[in-house]
Amino acid sequence: KQEVTQIPAALSVPEGENLVLNCSFTDSAIYNLQWFRQDPGKGLTSLLLIQSSQREQTSGRLNASLDKSSGRSTLYIAASQPGDSATYLCAVRRVDSSYKLIFGSGTRLLVRP
Amino acid sequence: DAGVIQSPRHEVTEMGQEVTLRCKPISGHDYLFWYRQTMMRGLELLIYFNNNVPIDDSGMPEDRFSAKMPNASFSTLKIQPSEPRDSAVYFCASSLQAGKKFFGPGTRLTVL
Repeated sequence: KQEVTQIPAALSVPEGENLVLNCSFTDSAIYNLQWFRQDPGKGLTSLLLIQSSQREQTSGRLNASLDKSSGRSTLYIAASQPGDSATYLCAVRRVDSSYKLIFGSGTRLLVRP
Repeated sequence: DAGVIQSPRHEVTEMGQEVTLRCKPISGHDYLFWYRQTMMRGLELLIYFNNNVPIDDSGMPEDRFSAKMPNASFSTLKIQPSEPRDSAVYFCASSLQAGKKFFGPGTRLTVL
């Protein structure tokens, strides 16, 4: 059974700092991995999607890496800003025909001005 | 595009009442998903549709839950009768095949 874990559960950093969020999964047979952002009381916004054949994806100040063999992904945020404060969730899609996403419990990020 | 639209945004009802949540996916998307989010269990997939056909409803908790997608632009999730433990935020999401999922703003359901 696929399990997705995110560490740390919460993180508080001063503005301008570079930071790394971690995601690990127990079954390396994944189709892809997706990082989402969720603001309080809002839905999820897709940030980056990495296919199983890819090692990383970049969008602006965000860079996500994928190491399937070790069951890990990281989300790197450069030069953090208060507007980056949100909960970040990673989700993996299984390699079978199912379109289910298995979500981690998220990392709650606070960037202090 | 307005994104995925859900209604209502908030619903407060009494135990035993019927609840209907609505979703309009992004135009052109062929997959539609219903998720439930709670503090205890996080995000859980309830059911998903492909081209209006239910593909996997194994996440639907009980027979009290049902979902329909009568056409490509509309889906409903119904709970009848509702119970306090159904209180959660219900999200609808859509995607084009294996691409990124786009989530709606969610419906916050409170069952008293």
